Amino acid sequence: QSALAQPASVSGSPGQSITISCTATSSDIGGYNYVSWYQHHPGKAPKLLIYDVSNRPSGVSNRFSGSRSGNTASLTISGLQPEDEADYYCSSYSSSSTRVFGGGTKVTVL
Amino acid sequence: QVQLQESGPGLVKPSDTLSLTCVVSGYSISSSNWWGWIRQPPGKGLEWIGYIYYSGSIYYNPSLKSRVTMSVDTSKNQFSLRLTSVTAVDTAVYYCARIKGDILTAFFDYWGQGTLVTVSS
Repeated sequence: QSALAQPASVSGSPGQSITISCTATSSDIGGYNYVSWYQHHPGKAPKLLIYDVSNRPSGVSNRFSGSRSGNTASLTISGLQPEDEADYYCSSYSSSSTRVFGGGTKVTVL
Repeated sequence: QVQLQESGPGLVKPSDTLSLTCVVSGYSISSSNWWGWIRQPPGKGLEWIGYIYYSGSIYYNPSLKSRVTMSVDTSKNQFSLRLTSVTAVDTAVYYCARIKGDILTAFFDYWGQGTLVTVSS
């Protein structure tokens, strides 16, 4: 069981906003200021969306935003589009210089 | 443009050793970056396997540590993964990736396309 808990699925209609949560379930998740988010379309390479909780790499749409409150990080997708239908994963530093991924969230555009 | 490409056998027999190589192009593997391996079993989520620095420093997933070895070949600009004593649960798509930042801040900014490795007799 992952030390980062994500909802299994989230859905929304085109144009809506949705939020995916990523909650640390272990005290080993150090600092929690270094959460990254990835978008994964099946059969393709995962794509970095957010790093350091809320920073967006160049080229990533500003419809994707990240935040953190307490031990929960969140990814918000604004203006949901059909191409946003994918799996989304959070990742964080864990204990002893290791790394962990969340279980993943399947986003469905209705 | 940084590109990573995994290669290796797509089929491995149970109890054998899985060996994969990741060739990096458009970027020197000797630059100040860590390099990592991640896998995704069919129908499941991503699992971090480990990461290696070009100079040889390594960290492994504790759950795989006894069976995993990673190495870097700077002359060929590539890094490799070996996983011993494989079973069906090791069947997965294996990805290599470049890591930005240090071990604390690390995130995966470039990924390979992934290669499916099936463990079966």
